[in-house]
Amino acid sequence: AQRVTQPEKLLSVFKGAPVELKCNYSYSGSPELFWYVQYSRQRLQLLLRHISRESIKGFTADLNKGETSFHLKKPFAQEEDSAMYYCALTRGGNTPLVFGKGTRLSVIA
Amino acid sequence: DVKVTQSSRYLVKRTGEKVFLECVQDMDHENMFWYRQDPGLGLRLIYFSYDVKMKEKGDIPEGYSVSREKKERFSLILESASTNQTSMYLCASSLTGHLIDEAFFGQGTRLTVV
Repeated sequence: AQRVTQPEKLLSVFKGAPVELKCNYSYSGSPELFWYVQYSRQRLQLLLRHISRESIKGFTADLNKGETSFHLKKPFAQEEDSAMYYCALTRGGNTPLVFGKGTRLSVIA
Repeated sequence: DVKVTQSSRYLVKRTGEKVFLECVQDMDHENMFWYRQDPGLGLRLIYFSYDVKMKEKGDIPEGYSVSREKKERFSLILESASTNQTSMYLCASSLTGHLIDEAFFGQGTRLTVV
């Protein structure tokens, strides 16, 4: 069975500081990994996906199969980054997303 | 603009009531999902559906059932509501046939069972 672990419930950083939200997964096959974000009073939405190798709002995430990790990083945190972040995994195709428990990021001015 | 719409933002129901949560999507997506979101527990999958009249149990189906009579609508039913079903319920949909399917979420229904 696949599992996603986000070890930090809450992460507080100062504005301008680097951010790293940790995500580890367990799955014996080749997973597809995502980061979803939920801003205050907004719906959950996709932030980025590993296969796209994209940078969204300054965030990047690299899939490390050796360490089974997909950490989310941003070099300089902004106040508008404060939100709930969920790492998610799917086996591919139309299989359901499996979510971690989430990390609340608080960026302090 | 893609839309997943849940019929209610807030619901308060009494213990033992039968509760219906409705979700409609306008993207012609085959796949639809119901999750519940609880602080410290993240999102947990209740049920999902790949097609009309098809349903699959997720990780926590006990106490719930679903109905998918039309492609665009996926209903979650609490047969006899209990206080431990007080939660935020999220509906989502995605497209079949693509390697990477972005899931689109509704705004959520916050259900309180008293």
